[in-house]
Amino acid sequence: NAGVTQTPKFRILKIGQSMTLQCTQDMNHNYMYWYRQDPGMGLKLIYYSVGAGITDKGEVPNGYNVSRSTTEDFPLRLELAAPSQTSVYFCASSASGSLFFGSGTQLSVL
Amino acid sequence: QKEVEQDPGPLSVPEGAIVSLNCTYSNSAFQYFMWYRQYSRKGPELLMYTYSSGNKEDGRFTAQVDKSSKYISLFIRDSQPSDSATYLCAMSAGNQFYFGTGTSLTVIP
Repeated sequence: NAGVTQTPKFRILKIGQSMTLQCTQDMNHNYMYWYRQDPGMGLKLIYYSVGAGITDKGEVPNGYNVSRSTTEDFPLRLELAAPSQTSVYFCASSASGSLFFGSGTQLSVL
Repeated sequence: QKEVEQDPGPLSVPEGAIVSLNCTYSNSAFQYFMWYRQYSRKGPELLMYTYSSGNKEDGRFTAQVDKSSKYISLFIRDSQPSDSATYLCAMSAGNQFYFGTGTSLTVIP
């Protein structure tokens, strides 16, 4: 059982570059989420989706974009990367009131 | 006031000790309560999941929810060095999830 799969695991970007963090789940969950985790700050919601074609902003959406063309995939796009986006990013999917996380992408913007 | 409050620790205990981890919350609409374990450089792993008030036991782990006090706990019996990790509490109302900042636990052999 793969669960929630994220790629890449690590990435270094230069300021102003763009990239897409990939997330796919094989549990047929309708709800998917993107969080960022900074030391001592807990998990902050960036965007979420309640199903294919439907996305909504979370607590910290600025500088990010998402799309949800299929139930399985929920990519996160960073445009014009900034040092403030250095963080660990987690994708998650939800069913029956609990969240299941991927293993994360550690991103550094230098 | 934050939705969920969790003491960040760090907490250090000897092997075999009983560990108590706690969170308080302010939103009475929360119905699902979870504990996650997160090892360094890994994603959070669902450890315990409880709906509404009461106790749930799974091996060495017991989760307690007291909705009247807005207080949840995780107990770890016979703690092992492999339990060393950060423990996150989480709760949900509908499809929105709220997390504590995590408690760092070290179990010393």
